[in-house]
Amino acid sequence: GAGVSQTPSNKVTEKGKYVELRCDPISGHTALYWYRQSLGQGPEFLIYFQGTGAADDSGLPNDRFFAVRPEGSVSTLKIQRTERGDSAVYLCASSLGSGLGDEQFFGPGTRLTVL
Amino acid sequence: RKEVEQDPGPFNVPEGATVAFNCTYSNSASQSFFWYRQDCRKEPKLLMSVYSSGNEDGRFTAQLNRASQYISLLIRDSKLSDSATYLCVGDSSYKLIFGSGTRLLVRP
Repeated sequence: GAGVSQTPSNKVTEKGKYVELRCDPISGHTALYWYRQSLGQGPEFLIYFQGTGAADDSGLPNDRFFAVRPEGSVSTLKIQRTERGDSAVYLCASSLGSGLGDEQFFGPGTRLTVL
Repeated sequence: RKEVEQDPGPFNVPEGATVAFNCTYSNSASQSFFWYRQDCRKEPKLLMSVYSSGNEDGRFTAQLNRASQYISLLIRDSKLSDSATYLCVGDSSYKLIFGSGTRLLVRP
């Protein structure tokens, strides 16, 4: 079946611009996560959705970052007034539930470059 | 101090070698641990889960020592296709906490 998909695969933008990154989770998965991976580092947690609501947004670095999942499926990560330090690969993952046995499946990521 | 720490490597080994990676974690509340594999410019993929006393899957063996807060991954009979970055991961409830990864290069 189809895995997690993310669009765009690459995004180049200028400092100060607004960007939206989209994630399509695996059909039927109720839990959705966003992570950010900088060069040479492991992914870092940003936000977790259970259904439509953001159950934990403690990993969002500041108020320029916001994410939504209005219908409990597709999610959009929004970054306002982008800065060069926002350059990274943004990974989305989904899982059937959020229990210990629920594997998180990752999408291919969106590589964001802020010039 | 990072919550999950691992040697970045790279480990450069010949085909057929046995190689071991180590990882330490600081959050004693973490219940589950995993090894993920990440190929260059690809997403991480679950390699193995590590629960309580550890487990084995073919050429791969993972061990967990809760007293020492230490996790290991042993790869026997290395293949060229094992070349990748191996990420040590702990959980904090639903959140995955990743180490920075250990890079493995298997040469012919």
